[in-house]
Amino acid sequence: DSGVTQTPKHLITATGQRVTLRCSPRSGDLSVYWYQQSLDQGLQFLIQYYNGEERAKGNILERFSAQQFPDLHSELNLSSLELGDSALYFCASSVTAQGVGETQYFGPGTRLLVL
Amino acid sequence: DQQVKQNSPSLSVQEGRISILNCDYTNSMFDYFLWYKKYPAEGPTFLISISSIKDKNEDGRFTVFLNKSAKHLSLHIVPSQPGDSAVYFCAAPNNAGNMLTFGGGTRLMVKP
Repeated sequence: DSGVTQTPKHLITATGQRVTLRCSPRSGDLSVYWYQQSLDQGLQFLIQYYNGEERAKGNILERFSAQQFPDLHSELNLSSLELGDSALYFCASSVTAQGVGETQYFGPGTRLLVL
Repeated sequence: DQQVKQNSPSLSVQEGRISILNCDYTNSMFDYFLWYKKYPAEGPTFLISISSIKDKNEDGRFTVFLNKSAKHLSLHIVPSQPGDSAVYFCAAPNNAGNMLTFGGGTRLMVKP
């Protein structure tokens, strides 16, 4: 158990809908990262928040957005869903905003299926 | 552009033998590498890391070797156990340390 929690574990929805994925980082971690794992793209970095502020953006679609709240939990919002958005979404956390040598700890993931 | 590549999608090894998982990278700016293990229905779990100032790092049954000139790293598991059966990812952070680039993963199967 990494200490990172994600809800829900599974989510089934229809195209065009909007969903929210939730992540609680490990106790003491200030940084939250979101990754997407799809069959054809592998694990890809989406976005990072540190202490409530956006710090880095990867290959995140404009239809997707995220935020980190004062209690440090984070939400990833996916809107106008398409079939291709079906994937595993992982949240990870670390102590600081950056630092080569620092480990990111991953949650169990949310499996999203868009029908 | 795949900056981190794991060219073997799967590997099968007998229990007790050595498992060697390989990873190649193209970005010469990468100077820290991590290996994660992933079981089905779980998130990636950190296994071992190595800094570019070293060429070897060992933790119990797990050893990671780094060959900077070849831009190649490998994970050795000795002896392999059935519980090691999982997908293994190598990853490298960008210079800011906040974005991990992952390889495609290698599925290791350890047969009893």
